[in-house]
Amino acid sequence: DGGITQSPKYLFRKEGQNVTLSCEQNLNHDAMYWYRQDPGQGLRLIYYSQIVNDFQKGDIAEGYSVSREKKESFPLTVTSAQKNPTAFYLCASSKGGGLQPQHFGDGTRLSIL
Amino acid sequence: QQQVKQSPQSLIVQKGGISIINCAYENTAFDYFPWYQQFPGKGPALLIAIRPDVSEKKEGRFTISFNKSAKQFSLHIMDSQPGDSATYFCAASPGYSSASKIIFGSGTRLSIRP
Repeated sequence: DGGITQSPKYLFRKEGQNVTLSCEQNLNHDAMYWYRQDPGQGLRLIYYSQIVNDFQKGDIAEGYSVSREKKESFPLTVTSAQKNPTAFYLCASSKGGGLQPQHFGDGTRLSIL
Repeated sequence: QQQVKQSPQSLIVQKGGISIINCAYENTAFDYFPWYQQFPGKGPALLIAIRPDVSEKKEGRFTISFNKSAKQFSLHIMDSQPGDSATYFCAASPGYSSASKIIFGSGTRLSIRP
């Protein structure tokens, strides 16, 4: 079945440590997105990519980095510069274009040790 | 201008009742309005979507009502069932844009009492 796979499901970060969240899709979608979800705040866009080797900052990009070397993969690194990283992180993809629905993975919950 | 305001934050409805969630927006460039449903520990999934050229769209028990002049839209769940208990997000997007950025509301946690 086609879909989006996020791993790991749970992740713990130590102080000063960078951690990378994986997102893989086999839907042949051009566009991919990373969102952060905090209670009562909905989904906030971190980074998005419309095509391989290109990506743009979203609304809350500070303290995060991404790469898009392959169409299927869009990993997110939470750097030590992100002082409040505890959240539920969601990856999504779409065919591209404003009218296309976004398909989401089941998320990674990141916590601080 | 970029916000989508959603209410209520939480909602409790008896089984068989009608659940209503409301959203409002400011940016007149928005022309695609999807609703997403999210169960605990899962990612959101597209439930139903509407374009502003129609005032209502129905899919099964789920209906979107759209008021372009008031810049408001709402989700109605008829004959609400316990399986509908989830968090619902409204969203908006300037569909003409190739960036396909979606602005999400803050979510409504819906509980259906048996």
